[in-house]
Amino acid sequence: AQSVSQHNHHVILSEAASLELGCNYSYGGTVNLFWYVQYPGQHLQLLLKYFSGDPLVKGIKGFEAEFIKSKFSFNLRKPSVQWSDTAEYFCAVTPTGGFKTIFGAGTRLFVKA
Amino acid sequence: GAVVSQHPSWVICKSGTSVKIECRSLDFQATTMFWYRQFPKQSLMLMATSNEGSKATYEQGVEKDKFLINHASLTLSTLTVTSAHPEDSSFYICSAYNEKLFFGSGTQLSVL
Repeated sequence: AQSVSQHNHHVILSEAASLELGCNYSYGGTVNLFWYVQYPGQHLQLLLKYFSGDPLVKGIKGFEAEFIKSKFSFNLRKPSVQWSDTAEYFCAVTPTGGFKTIFGAGTRLFVKA
Repeated sequence: GAVVSQHPSWVICKSGTSVKIECRSLDFQATTMFWYRQFPKQSLMLMATSNEGSKATYEQGVEKDKFLINHASLTLSTLTVTSAHPEDSSFYICSAYNEKLFFGSGTQLSVL
């Protein structure tokens, strides 16, 4: 069965700390990968996406993610977090050419000022 | 944990017909639900924010008369695609907010 697993449900960091949020997926074919963010009181927004090509993708607000095919992983990173990065982050997978998107359970990040 | 149920998961319809998609929060009350649409090889696109007891807030470019949203109770929001056409074929997904966001399993709509 297809699934997306996010390793941490809650993460607390101090400002300027580095961030890495884990995401692993289970699917038998090729996939498109996404990270979305939901800031408090707002709807979901796209952070970055991977379809093909360079496995290291850069998104908005200094975020990046690396697709490691052999590990079925798509971890999200940011070298130095800010208080404004406090939000919930969702990893999502869509089969290439397909429709259905599967979401991870989300990781709630709290950044202390 | 909280569960959001979306039904149907897959629907095929003829051009010109209307299709209703339901989004239910099974074990919590959701005053706010969101409807998204996803085209192949693209990310989710927010269509509208559904607020219980009031009119939905549509995003720019989304036709209100085409995509009717009703949020009549704290546990149910519906999206009706009226007079569906092949270009409406897409993946539709809802989410409900209860301290955090929970997603439905999505509906794949195919309009012939």
